[in-house]
Amino acid sequence: AQSVTQLDSQVPVFEEAPVELRCNYSSSVSVYLFWYVQYPNQGLQLLLKYLSGSTLVKGIKGFEAEFNKSQTSFHLRKPSVHISDTAEYFCAVSHTSNTGNQFYFGTGTSLTVIP
Amino acid sequence: SQTIHQWPATLVQPVGSPLSLECTVEGTSNPNLYWYRQAAGRGLQLLFYSVGIGQISSEVPQNLSASRPQDRQFILSSKKLLLSDSGFYLCARTASGRPGELFFGEGSRLTVL
Repeated sequence: AQSVTQLDSQVPVFEEAPVELRCNYSSSVSVYLFWYVQYPNQGLQLLLKYLSGSTLVKGIKGFEAEFNKSQTSFHLRKPSVHISDTAEYFCAVSHTSNTGNQFYFGTGTSLTVIP
Repeated sequence: SQTIHQWPATLVQPVGSPLSLECTVEGTSNPNLYWYRQAAGRGLQLLFYSVGIGQISSEVPQNLSASRPQDRQFILSSKKLLLSDSGFYLCARTASGRPGELFFGEGSRLTVL
């Protein structure tokens, strides 16, 4: 079974400060890892993904994440946040089974950027 | 384009009334399709997924059902809504050439009164 844990439900941070949103996962099979962002009353948009290869993944909007297999973590970081980064962020894992792609999401982290 | 259309965008329904939410997708054929529910202040709960026409898998027992009458159409239904059915419903799809990635629609907000 797969599961995703986002350790922080809410993260306030001042504008231009760095931020890290934490994500841990558990899985008995190899998985793909993702971070999605959701702005109010909208669907989810992909920020970045890890499929294989380099453990440091760079995404859109200046975000990056590092896959750590030994710690089963995939934390999201940004060196300097902007007001427009205020949103809900979801970590997710997926794997392929004989019944198709399976996706599992964390409960989300609400990032609030303070002016 | 992996565009996903969801209709209606918002809906207010009384308890006990029926429900039909529609999702239509563009882009590559034979996508995997998903219905998620997002309750206020909570994460995404997978309700149903489909790997092809007429093939529906349910993740959580509830008074909701799903159908896939065409390759690019995925419908979420209920015969009698409960208050607990209120939430933000998201349709999502996979796309060939984009392994493991989900594309989401803009969502349908359902309020049951």
